[in-house]
Amino acid sequence: DAKTTQPPSMDCAEGRAANLPCNHSTISGNEYVYWYRQIHSQGPQYIIHGLKNNETNEMASLIITEDRKSSTLILPHATLRDTAVYYCIVSVIQGAQKLVFGQGTRLTINP
Amino acid sequence: DSGVTQTPKHLITATGQRVTLRCSPRSGDLSVYWYQQSLDQGLQFLIQYYNGEERAKGNILERFSAQQFPDLHSELNLSSLELGDSALYFCASSRLGVSGYTFGSGTRLTVV
Repeated sequence: DAKTTQPPSMDCAEGRAANLPCNHSTISGNEYVYWYRQIHSQGPQYIIHGLKNNETNEMASLIITEDRKSSTLILPHATLRDTAVYYCIVSVIQGAQKLVFGQGTRLTINP
Repeated sequence: DSGVTQTPKHLITATGQRVTLRCSPRSGDLSVYWYQQSLDQGLQFLIQYYNGEERAKGNILERFSAQQFPDLHSELNLSSLELGDSALYFCASSRLGVSGYTFGSGTRLTVV
């Protein structure tokens, strides 16, 4: 079973920042937070991951609370192409075990 | 192109038949994962292989089987197909310690 809780859907205006929350209150000390997204029926796409520090890459920023029980994925300037289902997953370092996907958040970017 | 190649992209077959889905992982990746995604459903983990050996099993039916070959490509065999097996089947690959599983574009299986 997925160890995360996400809102089923969210809307955001094009050009604005999209903030997607995720609760993972039972996360273990050696588990990372990963974010993936799936655009329509394409294969899921890796976005970003983090352990306890905030992370930023060319796609997004990841903010993890100090107690690590929740996190927020931030898409700074959302575009229509960011419309997708976003999955928050907790897992030990990748390659060691399967990813368990929950239902994710369906993000719709509106013009 | 993600580097993970899945063939065929589309497959239409009749109930009771058997099909084989193929996955070539990204160069250097030793782990291969198979996932099933039915219409409007989430991604269900089926099975993982690491360097030719089965590493983990999920909700994979007994009618389904998989293997990973010495060249690291993997095949998912689906037999005695039922209408409910119609779904997208994704393959992903990874290597230890490197961020991000890489998914292929999937095989869309339609059982009629």
